[in-house]
Amino acid sequence: GAGVSQTPSNKVTEKGKYVELRCDPISGHTALYWYRQSLGQGPEFLIYFQGTGAADDSGLPNDRFFAVRPEGSVSTLKIQRTERGDSAVYLCASSRNRGGANVLTFGAGSRLTVL
Amino acid sequence: DAKTTQPNSMESNEEEPVHLPCNHSTISGTDYIHWYRQLPSQGPEYVIHGLTSNVNNRMASLAIAEDRKSSTLILHRATLRDAAVYYCILSYGFRDDKIIFGKGTRLHILP
Repeated sequence: GAGVSQTPSNKVTEKGKYVELRCDPISGHTALYWYRQSLGQGPEFLIYFQGTGAADDSGLPNDRFFAVRPEGSVSTLKIQRTERGDSAVYLCASSRNRGGANVLTFGAGSRLTVL
Repeated sequence: DAKTTQPNSMESNEEEPVHLPCNHSTISGTDYIHWYRQLPSQGPEYVIHGLTSNVNNRMASLAIAEDRKSSTLILHRATLRDAAVYYCILSYGFRDDKIIFGKGTRLHILP
């Protein structure tokens, strides 16, 4: 596609529910990143994939958060037993990542509100 | 992760040049300097990057100090649409690397 697509753009859920956020990266981009951003803060790194495997998941805050990218393209961020503190904008980015400078293209984000 | 230091906010008048500073005193020889910006209610967008030499593109210029411990993003003629948060980031250039954002500089453009 022309850009990074994220769905849903907005998600409102209740505390304790399960949520899935989807990211469709630019075709041919091998690296995919997830960030979350709270109001007034910079994006916080969560996890990134190189192909199908998670190259670095050191930013995932706890085991309620999990992400997959089974075919090396679309990725899903999964949050179990959501808490009010999970409310944020979840950003996805992709890059060609062929060495040298690593330039990311971001989607518009998925805004998650946990009531 | 290498760190950068930026002012929290800056103001500039419309149609004047803007110089956004960034300090990165712990930069290593293989770190690229990247700039991204984030307009209100949007995801970050790439602006420019460089390694050692100054760089120009259609959006901005990047001036890199000779010792690489600082850099400056230059918007040659600011418009109201340039009001955004600007992030200066270091990224290791020879392997896969996560991009770590700081708080950035919030740029206000005065009409």
